[in-house]
Amino acid sequence: SQQGEEDPQALSIQEGENATMNCSYKTSINNLQWYRQNSGRGLVHLILIRSNEREKHSGRLRVTLDTSKKSSSLLITASRAADTASYFCATDDGGYNKLIFGAGTRLAVHP
Amino acid sequence: DAGVIQSPRHEVTEMGQEVTLRCKPISGHDYLFWYRQTMMRGLELLIYFNNNVPIDDSGMPEDRFSAKMPNASFSTLKIQPSEPRDSAVYFCASRKSGLTNEQFFGPGTRLTVL
Repeated sequence: SQQGEEDPQALSIQEGENATMNCSYKTSINNLQWYRQNSGRGLVHLILIRSNEREKHSGRLRVTLDTSKKSSSLLITASRAADTASYFCATDDGGYNKLIFGAGTRLAVHP
Repeated sequence: DAGVIQSPRHEVTEMGQEVTLRCKPISGHDYLFWYRQTMMRGLELLIYFNNNVPIDDSGMPEDRFSAKMPNASFSTLKIQPSEPRDSAVYFCASRKSGLTNEQFFGPGTRLTVL
């Protein structure tokens, strides 16, 4: 069974707009990570937020984590066409070695 | 630094044939993971190794699948015999023990079983 579930499944926006993706999970975690996958490529790590953190920034990315609701959000500000990709959240299951990936959000940014 | 290297990038084979996928992790990484990605099931962890030892193979779908890691710089995932439902993209990922469990993914092998 999947640990993380992303919402929405697909998102289509114009360049310059912000994109928000959400992830819900089921069990206690040590950290939550977001990855990006461009079409035909492997996943690339974007950002990690630990269970004792509530918000983290990296460039145009902002991640929040609410452990009471078992949810996280990824915000991409001022989106660009190059941000077009699938975005996955990944959690451990309280352990540290295995990551469980959600189904992903497909983001399309139109010029 | 070279990233995770996988070969072949594409494989087309006929049902019943043996398929071997190869992975070279990032030098110095002591964890190696094999994943399978399909539209229906998403990204599934098949097996992972630590210091060349298989730790958890609970995701391996059936006995037709086997994985080995003879040394720190090489791993194989073998499917014998292959079936059309094995068609998927297979990813290898590696990471280093440390403060985070961030994984580094290879480009994947797209397998098509006819």
